[in-house]
Amino acid sequence: DAKTTQPNSMESNEEEPVHLPCNHSTISGTDYIHWYRQLPSQGPEYVIHGLTSNVNNRMASLAIAEDRKSSTLILHRATLRDAAVYYCILRVANTGTASKLTFGTGTRLQVTL
Amino acid sequence: EAQVTQNPRYLITVTGKKLTVTCSQNMNHEYMSWYRQDPGLGLRQIYYSMNVEVTDKGDVPEGYKVSRKEKRNFPLILESPSPNQTSLYFCASSLSRTGGGEQFFGPGTRLTVL
Repeated sequence: DAKTTQPNSMESNEEEPVHLPCNHSTISGTDYIHWYRQLPSQGPEYVIHGLTSNVNNRMASLAIAEDRKSSTLILHRATLRDAAVYYCILRVANTGTASKLTFGTGTRLQVTL
Repeated sequence: EAQVTQNPRYLITVTGKKLTVTCSQNMNHEYMSWYRQDPGLGLRQIYYSMNVEVTDKGDVPEGYKVSRKEKRNFPLILESPSPNQTSLYFCASSLSRTGGGEQFFGPGTRLTVL
């Protein structure tokens, strides 16, 4: 599986935008870029995913570099409830184990008042 | 409400005493899987199932069994639990097994084997 690299931790002030980076220099052409987050004492929660184009949903935006070797998860206005570990995951399409999510150690986001 | 449920949420048991952790989803999803989460190791897949009666090993299947007799249920069975199976377990499901699908996770089962 292609590997992703994320910073161990980041901090943000409440109400400010947060940009969470992810490097995936060995990504293949059919790998989807997924982001999940895990709040304290909860299961992972889907945030967003994309393949080539930038994506927006109600939770966040995903900006994908043109060469797809990196991506950035953007939380437009961080709140205290966004404090979590954020995982950037590459997910292979169309194989028997396609739905396996290989979690790394993620980025622990701390949000302060 | 669309959800994945797991039971029990917490379990303390002793070595060798067989146990089953249940997982159920109400979204008619074909794909289900089990993960374990350990400090410093992240989440690792134990077993997965692409449909009823179709199961396969993930990355860490040793010591575990699963079954998929109905679409909604995917129990995890530990025939003879050992202390190294003390962990936080998550069940997940998704509509599709392809790369673009979202996975829904249950709330987790914290297992301690003494």
